[in-house]
Amino acid sequence: EDQVTQSPEALRLQEGESSSLNCSYTVSGLRGLFWYRQDPGKGPEFLFTLYSAGEEKEKERLKATLTKKESFLHITAPKPEDSATYLCAVVAGGYQKVTFGTGTKLQVIP
Amino acid sequence: DAGITQSPRHKVTETGTPVTLRCHQTENHRYMYWYRQDPGHGLRLIHYSYGVKDTDKGEVSDGYSVSRSKTEDFLLTLESATSSQTSVYFCAISDLLAEAFFGQGTRLTVV
Repeated sequence: EDQVTQSPEALRLQEGESSSLNCSYTVSGLRGLFWYRQDPGKGPEFLFTLYSAGEEKEKERLKATLTKKESFLHITAPKPEDSATYLCAVVAGGYQKVTFGTGTKLQVIP
Repeated sequence: DAGITQSPRHKVTETGTPVTLRCHQTENHRYMYWYRQDPGHGLRLIHYSYGVKDTDKGEVSDGYSVSRSKTEDFLLTLESATSSQTSVYFCAISDLLAEAFFGQGTRLTVV
């Protein structure tokens, strides 16, 4: 069974304090790893897709990286508006079945 | 925003009654999903569809059924609602190996 584990569960940062979120996975035949952001009361919003180990993607203060066992979402000099829950998801095997982790709740304090 | 609409947005129902949630898309995406989201569990897949009349179970499918008679519509039915099915339900759409777009969610309360 595919497993996706995110850590930490919650993270509190001061504005400007850089950090990383972790997503480790145990799947057969990873086909893609996705990062989403979710604000309270809303559906998840897509951030990045990574398909192979060594791949990196960047968007504003966020950078996602992928190895054969885990992915990191690096947040550089975060701002309060970056506060949200960040979700990791994988697609594996021969089907388009998406498995999510439980997320990291990020709070950035001014 | 991707053209995906869930209805209703909020519903309160009694234990034992049937409930149907609707997901409608205007994007012509092949794959459609139903998730439930509960504190401490994250998003858990209930059922998904890979084409008209083609569906498969997710990790928490017991007590739920789905139907997809048209590309644009994916229905989730709770045959006999229980309190454990109180949750926020999200529909999502995607293409093969592509990102998913989510609806606004349906908050279902079973009393």
